[in-house]
Amino acid sequence: EAQVTQNPRYLITVTGKKLTVTCSQNMNHEYMSWYRQDPGLGLRQIYYSMNVEVTDKGDVPEGYKVSRKEKRNFPLILESPSPNQTSLYFCASRLGQGGVYEQYFGPGTRLTVT
Amino acid sequence: DAKTTQPNSMESNEEEPVHLPCNHSTISGTDYIHWYRQLPSQGPEYVIHGLTSNVNNRMASLAIAEDRKSSTLILHRATLRDAAVYYCILRGMDGTSYGKLTFGQGTILTVHP
Repeated sequence: EAQVTQNPRYLITVTGKKLTVTCSQNMNHEYMSWYRQDPGLGLRQIYYSMNVEVTDKGDVPEGYKVSRKEKRNFPLILESPSPNQTSLYFCASRLGQGGVYEQYFGPGTRLTVT
Repeated sequence: DAKTTQPNSMESNEEEPVHLPCNHSTISGTDYIHWYRQLPSQGPEYVIHGLTSNVNNRMASLAIAEDRKSSTLILHRATLRDAAVYYCILRGMDGTSYGKLTFGQGTILTVHP
């Protein structure tokens, strides 16, 4: 089954404790991205990657890092999480850029930073 | 990406058709019209997209106005599972936005049994 998977699905952590949220897709998609969703603010893009070793900032990159060493994986790294990073996070992938391609989203990771 | 305008909410009865409107008066000639939906506690899900002609798939139909300044997502027979937030999004062919989907507030669809 074609899918985007994220782990963990739920995470409660404390301020400053480094964490990684993994994202993997099995569709051989070139393009992957991370979004966060907050009440009243909708979904906002954090980082994106157009291919292996090619990443760039989205709209809200502060406090986050990403890497793309393999085509299928795109982990989101919070080096020193803070309470304002408490949010619902979605990973997404797409075959290519341009308006013709549909985007597939993972099930989400709910992160709470205390 | 160009801006879209959708009603905040709509209601429907189960097994009735639902027409979800979207206005995009500043659409450019190369913008695709995409629809996604987000069911409660789930990630957004692709529904349909089109450029100029009306489109049909197993989930829905997309009717695009001749001037492309508006479009309508049609659910032919709403089910309780169709209750979700529906997003109308424009996606260009150029690389400047690099695949980013700009989500607005969407339309909250409530389906009554």
